Amino acid sequence: ETGVTQTPRHLVMGMTNKKSLKCEQHLGHNAMYWYKQSAKKPLELMFVYNFKEQTENNSVPSRFSPECPNSSHLFLHLHTLQPEDSALYLCASSLFGGSDQETQYFGPGTRLLVL
Amino acid sequence: GQNIDQPTEMTATEGAIVQINCTYQTSGFNGLFWYQQHAGEAPTFLSYNVLDGLEEKGRFSSFLSRSKGYSYLLLKELQMKDSASYLCAVKAEGYSTLTFGKGTMLLVSP
Repeated sequence: ETGVTQTPRHLVMGMTNKKSLKCEQHLGHNAMYWYKQSAKKPLELMFVYNFKEQTENNSVPSRFSPECPNSSHLFLHLHTLQPEDSALYLCASSLFGGSDQETQYFGPGTRLLVL
Repeated sequence: GQNIDQPTEMTATEGAIVQINCTYQTSGFNGLFWYQQHAGEAPTFLSYNVLDGLEEKGRFSSFLSRSKGYSYLLLKELQMKDSASYLCAVKAEGYSTLTFGKGTMLLVSP
Protein backbone atom coordinates (compact mmCIF):
# COMPACT_ATOMS: atom_id res chain seq x y z
CA GLU A 1 0.00 0.00 0.00
CA THR A 2 1.68 3.18 -1.19
CA GLY A 3 -0.90 5.65 0.04
CA VAL A 4 -1.85 6.70 -3.48
CA THR A 5 -5.02 5.25 -4.94
CA GLN A 6 -6.39 5.47 -8.46
CA THR A 7 -9.78 4.68 -9.93
CA PRO A 8 -10.80 3.04 -12.11
CA ARG A 9 -8.04 0.46 -12.46
CA HIS A 10 -9.18 -0.46 -15.96
CA LEU A 11 -11.11 1.59 -18.51
CA VAL A 12 -12.26 0.91 -22.04
CA MET A 13 -13.68 3.84 -23.96
CA GLY A 14 -14.63 4.80 -27.48
CA MET A 15 -13.12 7.78 -29.23
CA THR A 16 -16.25 9.87 -28.71
CA ASN A 17 -16.64 9.14 -25.01
CA LYS A 18 -15.85 11.40 -22.08
CA LYS A 19 -14.41 9.84 -18.95
CA SER A 20 -12.38 10.89 -15.92
CA LEU A 21 -9.55 9.28 -14.03
CA LYS A 22 -9.27 9.92 -10.31
CA CYS A 23 -6.26 9.93 -8.03
CA GLU A 24 -6.22 10.39 -4.26
CA GLN A 25 -3.22 10.52 -1.96
CA HIS A 26 -3.34 9.92 1.78
CA LEU A 27 0.25 10.99 2.51
CA GLY A 28 -0.20 14.67 3.27
CA HIS A 29 1.76 15.63 0.16
CA ASN A 30 1.45 18.90 -1.72
CA ALA A 31 2.60 17.96 -5.21
CA MET A 32 0.80 15.60 -7.57
CA TYR A 33 1.72 14.29 -11.01
CA TRP A 34 0.18 12.54 -14.00
CA TYR A 35 2.38 10.20 -16.06
CA LYS A 36 1.68 8.14 -19.16
CA GLN A 37 3.35 4.73 -19.48
CA SER A 38 3.22 3.10 -22.93
CA ALA A 39 4.72 -0.23 -23.86
CA LYS A 40 8.46 -0.07 -24.55
CA LYS A 41 8.58 3.67 -23.80
CA PRO A 42 9.75 5.58 -20.74
CA LEU A 43 7.34 7.02 -18.26
CA GLU A 44 6.26 10.36 -19.73
CA LEU A 45 5.39 13.23 -17.42
CA MET A 46 2.13 14.91 -18.38
CA PHE A 47 1.20 17.41 -15.67
CA VAL A 48 2.49 18.65 -12.32
CA TYR A 49 0.50 20.39 -9.61
CA ASN A 50 2.04 22.09 -6.58
CA PHE A 51 -0.34 23.27 -3.87
CA LYS A 52 -3.25 22.88 -6.34
CA GLU A 53 -1.55 25.06 -8.96
CA GLN A 54 -0.46 23.59 -12.28
CA THR A 55 3.28 24.14 -12.59
CA GLU A 56 4.07 21.97 -15.60
CA ASN A 57 2.23 20.93 -18.73
CA ASN A 58 4.50 18.77 -20.82
CA SER A 59 2.99 19.66 -24.22
CA VAL A 60 0.02 17.40 -23.63
CA PRO A 61 -2.85 17.50 -26.18
CA SER A 62 -5.93 19.37 -25.05
CA ARG A 63 -8.01 16.19 -25.13
CA PHE A 64 -6.40 15.54 -21.73
CA SER A 65 -7.60 18.03 -19.13
CA PRO A 66 -6.29 17.86 -15.55
CA GLU A 67 -8.04 19.16 -12.47
CA CYS A 68 -6.70 19.50 -8.94
CA PRO A 69 -9.42 20.68 -6.53
CA ASN A 70 -7.19 20.22 -3.46
CA SER A 71 -3.79 18.82 -2.54
CA SER A 72 -5.18 15.32 -2.00
CA HIS A 73 -7.13 14.85 -5.22
CA LEU A 74 -6.18 14.91 -8.87
CA PHE A 75 -8.34 14.19 -11.89
CA LEU A 76 -7.61 13.63 -15.54
CA HIS A 77 -10.58 14.34 -17.78
CA LEU A 78 -10.53 12.55 -21.11
CA HIS A 79 -12.47 13.38 -24.27
CA THR A 80 -12.24 12.45 -27.94
CA LEU A 81 -9.20 10.29 -27.34
CA GLN A 82 -7.29 8.41 -30.03
CA PRO A 83 -6.28 4.74 -30.05
CA GLU A 84 -2.64 5.77 -29.53
CA ASP A 85 -3.67 7.20 -26.15
CA SER A 86 -4.13 3.65 -24.89
CA ALA A 87 -1.63 3.27 -22.06
CA LEU A 88 -1.18 2.98 -18.31
CA TYR A 89 -1.83 6.33 -16.63
CA LEU A 90 0.02 6.71 -13.37
CA CYS A 91 -0.54 9.26 -10.66
CA ALA A 92 2.21 10.17 -8.19
CA SER A 93 2.64 12.52 -5.27
CA SER A 94 5.54 14.05 -3.36
CA LEU A 95 5.87 16.29 -0.36
CA PHE A 96 6.89 19.48 -2.17
CA GLY A 97 7.30 19.67 -5.93
CA GLY A 98 10.56 21.60 -5.92
CA SER A 99 12.72 19.81 -3.39
CA ASP A 100 15.83 18.06 -4.70
CA GLN A 101 15.68 14.94 -2.60
CA GLU A 102 12.00 14.30 -2.94
CA THR A 103 10.73 10.83 -3.56
CA GLN A 104 7.62 10.43 -5.67
CA TYR A 105 5.11 7.80 -4.59
CA PHE A 106 3.04 6.20 -7.30
CA GLY A 107 -0.47 4.87 -7.50
CA PRO A 108 -1.23 1.53 -9.20
CA GLY A 109 -2.36 3.22 -12.40
CA THR A 110 -5.37 3.10 -14.69
CA ARG A 111 -5.03 0.81 -17.68
CA LEU A 112 -6.81 2.67 -20.52
CA LEU A 113 -7.87 1.15 -23.82
CA VAL A 114 -9.27 3.44 -26.50
CA LEU A 115 -11.22 1.71 -29.24
CA GLY B 1 17.67 17.42 -23.69
CA GLN B 2 17.58 14.45 -21.40
CA ASN B 3 18.62 10.91 -22.32
CA ILE B 4 18.65 7.88 -20.08
CA ASP B 5 19.77 4.43 -21.23
CA GLN B 6 19.36 1.08 -19.56
CA PRO B 7 19.22 -2.48 -20.91
CA THR B 8 15.81 -3.67 -22.01
CA GLU B 9 15.92 -7.12 -20.46
CA MET B 10 18.11 -9.20 -18.17
CA THR B 11 17.86 -12.73 -16.85
CA ALA B 12 19.41 -14.23 -13.74
CA THR B 13 19.12 -17.24 -11.49
CA GLU B 14 17.66 -17.40 -8.01
CA GLY B 15 20.35 -16.77 -5.40
CA ALA B 16 22.67 -15.01 -7.84
CA ILE B 17 23.78 -11.37 -8.07
CA VAL B 18 22.74 -9.07 -10.90
CA GLN B 19 23.83 -5.54 -11.82
CA ILE B 20 21.52 -3.26 -13.80
CA ASN B 21 23.31 -0.33 -15.42
CA CYS B 22 21.98 3.11 -16.24
CA THR B 23 23.75 5.88 -18.15
CA TYR B 24 22.41 9.38 -18.48
CA GLN B 25 23.03 12.63 -20.30
CA THR B 26 21.04 15.46 -18.78
CA SER B 27 21.20 19.23 -18.54
CA GLY B 28 22.43 19.33 -14.97
CA PHE B 29 22.00 16.74 -12.28
CA ASN B 30 20.16 16.77 -8.99
CA GLY B 31 19.88 13.12 -8.11
CA LEU B 32 19.16 9.67 -9.49
CA PHE B 33 16.37 7.35 -8.39
CA TRP B 34 15.75 3.65 -8.87
CA TYR B 35 12.21 2.27 -8.81
CA GLN B 36 10.88 -1.28 -8.99
CA GLN B 37 7.67 -1.99 -10.87
CA HIS B 38 5.94 -5.35 -10.87
CA ALA B 39 3.57 -6.02 -13.75
CA GLY B 40 0.29 -4.23 -13.26
CA GLU B 41 1.46 -2.48 -10.10
CA ALA B 42 2.75 0.93 -9.02
CA PRO B 43 6.45 1.77 -9.29
CA THR B 44 7.91 1.64 -5.79
CA PHE B 45 10.93 3.61 -4.59
CA LEU B 46 14.16 1.66 -4.09
CA SER B 47 17.00 4.14 -3.78
CA TYR B 48 18.26 7.68 -4.25
CA ASN B 49 21.82 8.79 -5.05
CA VAL B 50 23.05 12.35 -5.35
CA LEU B 51 26.71 11.95 -4.31
CA ASP B 52 29.25 9.59 -5.84
CA GLY B 53 29.56 6.20 -4.25
CA LEU B 54 27.60 3.20 -3.13
CA GLU B 55 24.39 3.26 -1.10
CA GLU B 56 23.51 -0.08 0.46
CA LYS B 57 20.04 -1.03 1.60
CA GLY B 58 19.66 -4.69 2.47
CA ARG B 59 19.92 -6.89 -0.62
CA PHE B 60 19.84 -3.85 -2.89
CA SER B 61 22.67 -1.38 -3.47
CA SER B 62 22.93 1.57 -5.82
CA PHE B 63 26.07 3.21 -7.15
CA LEU B 64 26.60 6.60 -8.75
CA SER B 65 29.43 8.22 -10.69
CA ARG B 66 28.48 11.74 -11.66
CA SER B 67 31.61 12.33 -13.76
CA LYS B 68 30.74 9.30 -15.90
CA GLY B 69 26.98 9.86 -15.95
CA TYR B 70 26.58 6.31 -14.71
CA SER B 71 24.69 4.40 -12.08
CA TYR B 72 23.99 0.78 -11.34
CA LEU B 73 21.56 -1.13 -9.16
CA LEU B 74 23.00 -4.27 -7.59
CA LEU B 75 20.64 -6.99 -6.43
CA LYS B 76 22.07 -9.77 -4.27
CA GLU B 77 20.65 -13.15 -3.26
CA LEU B 78 18.04 -12.91 -5.96
CA GLN B 79 14.57 -14.16 -5.21
CA MET B 80 11.76 -15.03 -7.59
CA LYS B 81 9.81 -12.01 -6.36
CA ASP B 82 12.60 -9.76 -7.68
CA SER B 83 11.31 -10.42 -11.21
CA ALA B 84 10.11 -6.96 -12.19
CA SER B 85 10.95 -3.90 -14.24
CA TYR B 86 13.60 -1.61 -12.75
CA LEU B 87 13.33 2.06 -13.66
CA CYS B 88 16.19 4.54 -13.56
CA ALA B 89 15.13 8.18 -13.22
CA VAL B 90 17.13 11.40 -13.09
CA LYS B 91 16.21 14.77 -11.64
CA ALA B 92 17.93 17.40 -13.77
CA GLU B 93 19.14 20.66 -12.26
CA GLY B 94 16.53 23.35 -12.05
CA TYR B 95 13.67 20.94 -12.63
CA SER B 96 11.33 19.54 -10.05
CA THR B 97 10.42 16.56 -12.19
CA LEU B 98 11.96 13.21 -13.02
CA THR B 99 13.05 11.88 -16.42
CA PHE B 100 12.72 8.11 -16.64
CA GLY B 101 14.54 5.48 -18.65
CA LYS B 102 12.56 2.80 -20.44
CA GLY B 103 13.14 0.33 -17.63
CA THR B 104 14.97 -2.99 -17.44
CA MET B 105 12.82 -6.11 -17.24
CA LEU B 106 14.54 -8.60 -14.93
CA LEU B 107 13.49 -12.23 -15.03
CA VAL B 108 14.66 -14.44 -12.18
CA SER B 109 14.50 -18.15 -12.88
CA PRO B 110 14.77 -21.09 -10.44
